Amino acid sequence: DTGVSQDPRHKITKRGQNVTFRCDPISEHNRLYWYRQTLGQGPEFLTYFQNEAQLEKSRLLSDRFSAERPKGSFSTLEIQHTEQGDSAMYLCASSLLAGAGANVLTFGAGSRLTVL
Amino acid sequence: AQSVTQLDSQVPVFEEAPVELRCNYSSSVSVYLFWYVQYPNQGLQLLLKYLSGSTLVKGINGFEAEFNKSQTSFHLRKPSVHISDTAEYFCAVIMYSGGGADGLTFGKGTHLIIQP
Repeated sequence: DTGVSQDPRHKITKRGQNVTFRCDPISEHNRLYWYRQTLGQGPEFLTYFQNEAQLEKSRLLSDRFSAERPKGSFSTLEIQHTEQGDSAMYLCASSLLAGAGANVLTFGAGSRLTVL
Repeated sequence: AQSVTQLDSQVPVFEEAPVELRCNYSSSVSVYLFWYVQYPNQGLQLLLKYLSGSTLVKGINGFEAEFNKSQTSFHLRKPSVHISDTAEYFCAVIMYSGGGADGLTFGKGTHLIIQP
């Protein structure tokens, strides 16, 4: 297992364009989380999935942000009509569903978004 | 609501000296506590965690932390630092819900700078 994979590692886009990030979690992990990290700040929780169900999405930053995990494996985070304020690192993490590992998140390297 | 405060945004330390990175949290219920490290251009890596049991927990790379419930603190310590410890350190908390509904709440981070 290669851990949590995120793609692309860096995306540069123009304001108003749509962008999509992909996350492949650790294969046996049922839970998948998305976070945003801006410069000088800690990661900020956005949303999470348990298998294919999105159990928490009220913390997504606006209705321009959406996430999917259609088959309970990989997930995508889409930002529509990007704004310069969306420039940040988008982090994905995964964890087990139960037991001591349920609260231990493994993070990917992140996808850095730059909106010009 | 839960929150995490890391009082020091930067901590400069000479190589081989001891270091303590401070973390305080607020929560109305019991919590799980974590320290993550982020090296430049990399994702977050788990250093150590407190879930239950002994309040002194040992992690990777010689780090340890002590959970103090009365002071709502979870300070990170290392007796002798190395240049390779230069990184951003994040304290994080999750409410004792078992469901992980909100994921981790992170502090703003402390940049540990090791001086030769």
